[in-house]
Amino acid sequence: DIVMTQSPLSLSVTPGEPASISCRSSQSLLHANGHYYLDWYVQKPGQSPQALIYAGSNRASGVSDKFSASGSGTDFTLKITRVEAEDVGVYYCMQTLQGRGFGQGTKVEI
Amino acid sequence: QVQLQESGPGLVKPSETLSLSCTVSGASIFGHYWSWIRQPPGKGLEWIGYIHYSGSTRYNPSLQSRLTISFDTSTNQFSMRLTSVTAADTGIYYCAKLGSPSSGFLANYYWYIAVWGKGTTVAVSS
Repeated sequence: DIVMTQSPLSLSVTPGEPASISCRSSQSLLHANGHYYLDWYVQKPGQSPQALIYAGSNRASGVSDKFSASGSGTDFTLKITRVEAEDVGVYYCMQTLQGRGFGQGTKVEI
Repeated sequence: QVQLQESGPGLVKPSETLSLSCTVSGASIFGHYWSWIRQPPGKGLEWIGYIHYSGSTRYNPSLQSRLTISFDTSTNQFSMRLTSVTAADTGIYYCAKLGSPSSGFLANYYWYIAVWGKGTTVAVSS
């Protein structure tokens, strides 16, 4: 099984400042097709999760360009350029290479 | 616009079977992947499994021996059954539709969780 580990588990950010969340997998998420099999989701308070990023670095439909993601091999990063109050929530990475598996989540608060 | 609605018992006794359904509106079961995810109280997300309209399934290895995901095209619903439940199966259960990019190399090749239901709370208790 692929184990996903996020850090930090909690992040307090000043509005307007950037934020960065790390996600590490226990084995490479590089598929033979050259794409990374990793997604990012956010669960805002009281809501269902929603997709932010798929296949390593592609923004899902309707997602603000203030969200970006990158990475290679086993190390991935989600970046928010300027955190706003509406970005508060728990951010999850999820591997899609072997079945599916989530990281523990990173709670972002203002 | 695709909408998903979970339904099922809010309370299940230990050792019994949990059965949940997800009603899909705004899309047909055909041509897509459908998934279940759960969230224990105060904890993170756990992927349960998915089913393709062809009938193929993939389950979380930790649940595989107790889990069945199926669909009913006549009602445009898909369902999950989890046998021999314990308190560890308590939580919010979400149904979801997997989506794929509409163009590019990954179109119809890469599937991510595009639409989520609002979730239904299940408690396992005697």
